[in-house]
Amino acid sequence: ETGVTQSPTHLIKTRGQQVTLRCSSQSGHNTVSWYQQALGQGPQFIFQYYREEENGRGNFPPRFSGLQFPNYSSELNVNALELDDSALYLCATGAGVYEQYFGPGTRLTVT
Amino acid sequence: AQTVTQSQPEMSVQEAETVTLSCTYDTSESDYYLFWYKQPPSRQMILVIRQEAYKQQNATENRFSVNFQKAAKSFSLKISDSQLGDAAMYFCAPGHYGGSQGNLIFGKGTKLSVKP
Repeated sequence: ETGVTQSPTHLIKTRGQQVTLRCSSQSGHNTVSWYQQALGQGPQFIFQYYREEENGRGNFPPRFSGLQFPNYSSELNVNALELDDSALYLCATGAGVYEQYFGPGTRLTVT
Repeated sequence: AQTVTQSQPEMSVQEAETVTLSCTYDTSESDYYLFWYKQPPSRQMILVIRQEAYKQQNATENRFSVNFQKAAKSFSLKISDSQLGDAAMYFCAPGHYGGSQGNLIFGKGTKLSVKP
């Protein structure tokens, strides 16, 4: 158990809709990163938040956005969903690069 | 661009035997960490072992050890006394210091099967 939780476990959305995924971590984990893992691939870095500010972003369009809250929870928002957004979304939290603990992921299906 | 190559899409090992998973990476950074993560069918990404790039001594964690060759940018994982529970996808990932606090760059993974 990593102490990192994600909700929901599974989600089905229609193309064009918006979705919010949530991640909760332990106290003291002031860094949260989000990753997208397509089927059969390794996770790809979306962005990272450090102390409630975006602190690095991968090659993802602006319709992927996030928030980090003082209570060590965070959100990933995706607007205008596309079929290619279907994937497992993972959050990882920790105190720094040397320590990242992953949640169990949210499986998003876009139809 | 930073890249990670895991050249073995699938590996198989007999229970109690030893297996080595390979990983090479490309980075321009001088300070970084290297990680091996395990992802079983349950999807939970589990940290197996990590190595600080500035340390010459190879990291070990119980049955898991690494062979880190910094000049060659190689970071292989050795699993000794393989157990059925070791069956999973294994991902190699460098992580960097710096302003971004470090994001992980993952390879495509190696699927490890353990035969009883």
